Amino acid sequence: SQTIHQWPATLVQPVGSPLSLECTVEGTSNPNLYWYRQAAGRGLQLLFYSVGIGQISSEVPQNLSASRPQDRQFILSSKKLLLSDSGFYLCAWSAETEAFFGQGTRLTVV
Amino acid sequence: AQKITQTQPGMFVQEKEAVTLDCTYDTSDQSYGLFWYKQPSSGEMIFLIYQGSYDEQNATEGRYSLNFQKARKSANLVISASQLGDSAMYFCAMRANDYKLSFGAGTTVTVRA
Repeated sequence: SQTIHQWPATLVQPVGSPLSLECTVEGTSNPNLYWYRQAAGRGLQLLFYSVGIGQISSEVPQNLSASRPQDRQFILSSKKLLLSDSGFYLCAWSAETEAFFGQGTRLTVV
Repeated sequence: AQKITQTQPGMFVQEKEAVTLDCTYDTSDQSYGLFWYKQPSSGEMIFLIYQGSYDEQNATEGRYSLNFQKARKSANLVISASQLGDSAMYFCAMRANDYKLSFGAGTTVTVRA
């Protein structure tokens, strides 16, 4: 069966520090991969999605970037975090008739 | 560009009753997929049900059913026999032809005993 791993669960980072969040999927090949951010009590904002290795579509460029170095690995990065980058980050993968999420990372920028 | 609209920010439902959560979408794609998710206070996103644009039958999964009206571009979720554990935020989502997966603003459901 397919599983999706996202870590860490919580993260506190100072303003100006770099960020790297990793997401990996097991049990499937060539998944569509997604990164979302969710503010407290709000909806999911699509940040990036990828339909294959090295293929990244950006919805909200800002100071975040994403990379897909391997088929089942999706990485969200920032060179310098801003206070406004705080939020709940969710990774997801989708196949034909289903789409599943990781457990999420609560990022607090201080 | 696709747009997903959930017009009900919050709803109250009595335990054991049914509740319908509204979702309308806008797309020019002929092929697309519709999803519903439950997000309890823990934050995890739980996949509930899927409906493909070419599916003729409405999707059902246990107490969840999707009322798909293609001409109206609506995909309402019906939860039957509500339970206290159904209290959560519910999101409608659509995956377009380019595989972009977009979400509505969500509806908070509170089940009363």
